[in-house]
Amino acid sequence: GAGVSQTPSNKVTEKGKYVELRCDPISGHTALYWYRQSLGQGPEFLIYFQGTGAADDSGLPNDRFFAVRPEGSVSTLKIQRTERGDSAVYLCASSTRTSGTDTQYFGPGTRLTVL
Amino acid sequence: KQEVTQIPAALSVPEGENLVLNCSFTDSAIYNLQWFRQDPGKGLTSLLLIQSSQREQTSGRLNASLDKSSGRSTLYIAASQPGDSATYLCAADSNSGYALNFGKGTSLLVTP
Repeated sequence: GAGVSQTPSNKVTEKGKYVELRCDPISGHTALYWYRQSLGQGPEFLIYFQGTGAADDSGLPNDRFFAVRPEGSVSTLKIQRTERGDSAVYLCASSTRTSGTDTQYFGPGTRLTVL
Repeated sequence: KQEVTQIPAALSVPEGENLVLNCSFTDSAIYNLQWFRQDPGKGLTSLLLIQSSQREQTSGRLNASLDKSSGRSTLYIAASQPGDSATYLCAADSNSGYALNFGKGTSLLVTP
C-alpha cells in the first residue's frame, strides 16, 4: 500500500517568506508526527496529532511554526517569516497508535532551504 | 527529557563481518525503542521495534536487544553486506509515549 507522502520534496525560499509543507499519512493512521532533521543530527520532534487535534506541540521552536490537521488525515506545517536557521529536512510520520506498540512510518521528507 | 546517545558515530567494516551498534538512553520509562535505517538524502525506514516488555526482536540478519534497567539497546547485524551501508538511528520514546527521541546515528560503511 501507499506510504507516507510529503510535498514538495524540495522548497527554496527567501528569508522572511511564508511556507507550507504538506504530509499525507498512511490511510487509517490516526497519529501523525512532524520532525525536523538538521545536517548530521537525528530528527527532532516538533508536534504530534491524534486525529484532528494537536496532542503535543512542545517541540515547536517558536510561534512562527504552526501545524494543522483539519480532517484528521492530511497535515500542513506552516512556517511564517522564515529564517536561515529554519533550513532543514522536515519529516512526517504516521502510526496506528495501537496500545502497547507504535511503529512510526516516515515519509521521504521536505528539504527546506531558506536563502 | 529523554536523551539518546549512539556509539560509534561511524564504523567501517569489510563485507561478511558481524557488527554491533550501541544505543543508550537516559529515561528507562519507555514504551518502545525503535531502530531505523536512513540512506543519504532519504527518509527513515523502520527496521525493528522493541516494546518495553520485550528483550529482543529479530528480522532476518538483524537482531535488536533492549535492557531497560541499564538504559541500553544494541543492534546486531550478521554477515554484513555492502548494501547495509547507511546511517542507523536509534529512537526511544519517553513516559509520555508519543514523541521519538533520536540519537545522532551511526554511519556504517561495509566495504566489498
